[in-house]
Amino acid sequence: DGGITQSPKYLFRKEGQNVTLSCEQNLNHDAMYWYRQDPGQGLRLIYYSQIVNDFQKGDIAEGYSVSREKKESFPLTVTSAQKNPTAFYLCASSPGDIRAHQPQHFGDGTRLSIL
Amino acid sequence: AQTVTQSQPEMSVQEAETVTLSCTYDTSESDYYLFWYKQPPSRQMILVIRQEAYKQQNATENRFSVNFQKAAKSFSLKISDSQLGDAAMYFCAYRLETSGSRLTFGEGTQLTVNP
Repeated sequence: DGGITQSPKYLFRKEGQNVTLSCEQNLNHDAMYWYRQDPGQGLRLIYYSQIVNDFQKGDIAEGYSVSREKKESFPLTVTSAQKNPTAFYLCASSPGDIRAHQPQHFGDGTRLSIL
Repeated sequence: AQTVTQSQPEMSVQEAETVTLSCTYDTSESDYYLFWYKQPPSRQMILVIRQEAYKQQNATENRFSVNFQKAAKSFSLKISDSQLGDAAMYFCAYRLETSGSRLTFGEGTQLTVNP
């Protein structure tokens, strides 16, 4: 079955440490996204990529970095510059621009906590 | 700034009854797509229904339907014959034709279904 796999499900970060959240999709989608969700709040866009080797900042990119070297993979690094990283992180994908009516498909999320 | 507003942080409904969740949005563009997503306690994001702004006919998916009022920039979700499995956080979102494939989400409405 096609889908989006996020790993790990739970992740703990020590002070001053960078951590990387994995997101893999086998839907052959061009576009991929990272969202952050804080308790009782909606999803906020961190970064998105509409094609391999290209990505754009979303609304809350500070303290985060991404790469898009392969179509199926879009890892998110939470750097030590992100002072409040505790949140639920969701990865999504969609076919891309030319089919904007197509919905985004989401992974099951990663919960990141500070030790 | 483009925004999505869900004015009801919490709603409750009796099983088998009907409930309407409200959503308003703010954009100066004429071409866009609207979505309702459901997030149950498992935290997975599930597409409920979608609407193209150029279509006047309201979208319907089984027990779920929308009331799309383009001039008022309103996109409410009606759930008929509510079931216990409908209990979840519901998010309204839109995607603009000119902003690539990125979504803007509202803050969400927590729906409780009482037996």
